[in-house]
Amino acid sequence: GAGVSQSPRYKVAKRGQDVALRCDPISGHVSLFWYQQALGQGPEFLTYFQNEAQLDKSGLPSDRFFAERPEGSVSTLKIQRTQQEDSAVYLCASSGTGGNGYTFGSGTRLTVV
Amino acid sequence: ILNVEQSPQSLHVQEGDSTNFTCSFPSSNFYALHWYRWETAKSPEALFVMTLNGDEKKKGRISATLNTKEGYSYLYIKGSQPEDSATYLCASRGAGSYQLTFGKGTKLSVIP
Repeated sequence: GAGVSQSPRYKVAKRGQDVALRCDPISGHVSLFWYQQALGQGPEFLTYFQNEAQLDKSGLPSDRFFAERPEGSVSTLKIQRTQQEDSAVYLCASSGTGGNGYTFGSGTRLTVV
Repeated sequence: ILNVEQSPQSLHVQEGDSTNFTCSFPSSNFYALHWYRWETAKSPEALFVMTLNGDEKKKGRISATLNTKEGYSYLYIKGSQPEDSATYLCASRGAGSYQLTFGKGTKLSVIP
């Protein structure tokens, strides 16, 4: 597609529920990133994929967070047993080879109640 | 400076006024500085990627400068318009890293 597409746009989850957030990067983009933006903060790095390989997951806040990109295109960020502190906007970005540019999606706003 | 810091947090300007905001970032191990414009309910839009000390970039009424030795960048908006209302984010990227470290943003409101 022309841009990075994320779904759903909004998600309300009850505490303890599992959620899955989807990211469709720009076709052909090798690199894919997930960021988390809590209220009043800047986006913070969660994880990075190069094709299907997850090269860095150092930003994932706990083992309840899991990301995958099995075929090197679409990625899913899964959060198990959601907690209130997981409430945030989750941004996905993709980037092609050889450039500095990162294209972001419009994010998924997760609210845990 | 260990983190990326932006100031002010927010500002209100009248339509037609020019304005500027600051981004401070770690000057050691610097690779690139990114500026994004983020309107509510939309995707962050890339404005500039800057890498060289003394770099100046311009896009319409918006321009940016970069000082990598002292670790700061300025974003200027000339003749602000209501459609410039958005949060402006800067992000630093270190050498050998692909992560962007973001500031908290400057929220600009342009009053018609």
